Parts: sequence; C-alpha cells; structure tokens
Amino acid sequence: DTAVSQTPKYLVTQMGNDKSIKCEQNLGHDTMYWYKQDSKKFLKIMFSYNNKELIINETVPNRFSPKSPDKAHLNLHINSLELGDSAVYFCASGRRGTGELFFGEGSRLTVL
Amino acid sequence: AQKVTQAQTEISVVEKEDVTLDCVYETRDTTYYLFWYKQPPSGELVFLIRRNSFDEQNEISGRYSWNFQKSTSSFNFTITASQVVDSAVYFCALSEARRGSNDMRFGAGTRLTVKP
Repeated sequence: DTAVSQTPKYLVTQMGNDKSIKCEQNLGHDTMYWYKQDSKKFLKIMFSYNNKELIINETVPNRFSPKSPDKAHLNLHINSLELGDSAVYFCASGRRGTGELFFGEGSRLTVL
Repeated sequence: AQKVTQAQTEISVVEKEDVTLDCVYETRDTTYYLFWYKQPPSGELVFLIRRNSFDEQNEISGRYSWNFQKSTSSFNFTITASQVVDSAVYFCALSEARRGSNDMRFGAGTRLTVKP
C-alpha cells in the first residue's frame, strides 16, 4: 500500500486552465504539506495543514488554493495556470513534533 | 528562520572515488532534525537519514556515512567507493518541529554524477 499517494502523476495543460492535484495519506498523520520543485530542482514548501487547519502559507499566489476535506487528504487546486507553474509538486505528511515527513512520488505539471 | 546551505551545486567523480557532500544549517531552535534525501533521475524523494539535534553521533550505513557537528552547524554526507547508481541529486533538509508543524526546509541540492 502506498503511504502517500498523489494523482495525477503527470498533467499537461494549457495556460489559463484550472487544474487540481489530489493527495491522500494512509499513515494516520495529522499534518500534510505541499512542496513545489522547480526546474532547478529547488524544493520549496507551499502549504502545511494540521488537522485540516492551515498552518503555513508561504507567499504563494492566490491562484493556488489547498483544500483539506479531512486529515487524510490535502488537494491542491490551481486557477488560471501560468507557464511558471510548471514544476513537480510533492505532497507529504507527518506527525507533528516528530520532524519527519513522508513524501509522495510527485506530480509533474506542464503548462503550455 | 531556518536555513540550509548546500554550497556544492554539482560534483562529478569517477567510480570508486569517495565523495563528501556538504551541508550547513542555521536555526534558532535547540530542538531540530536534520535529513538527507536522494532524488534519482526517476524523480522520487528517497529518505536516507534523520538526525535529531541531541544526537551528535556519526552514523554509518554501508557505503554511506554522516558527520553531524553542532559546533560548525554542519551535517555532511560521505559516500565511500561511489558507484554509478549513486548518481542523483542529494538534498539536505532541516525541520524545527515546532508545535503544529514539521516545517521541513531543504537546501538547494547537490547533483552528484558518478562516471564509470
């Protein structure tokens, strides 16, 4: 069983479209995250949710909206996609206070 | 604020050479965790090691070893007798594990190429 799973793994879309990436974890963790990895491989935290409550929101454009329907899910919705949104997006989960994160396999988004 | 610096952007070695990847961190917390991840060409993030700030013992796992020194805020990673399969981007990361969040921050990564 995959601990942290993301769908889709690959997403190709046109500028201006709206798209979502889903993330689910079956580890019973109370905290979930989204990270963005750009073309230079730099990994940057975008959002963190703890028990469905937003904890971290790192200067991400309003076009990005995370949604956490329950502790096991954290979806990322992106409106009006731009070329610069092309990246690999990693979902992760962890138990607060432990310092450790478990990552999904990543979702590669390509905006044309 | 926490910060992780991996000054080596790219390293290229020949197979069987030893190589050390440097990592320097900054944090104001006394309790924190340090990590190394490997990202092979396939793209997934592979967990290698986790160290907490109270445990400065060096660790060895096969050909991999880690040197944690709080005095210099460094957590370096050495691969002994490198192999082609070690070619990947390696990330050092720091988590302050504050209440409510594990807030892991990554260094910029070091791309290691091992040539046959």
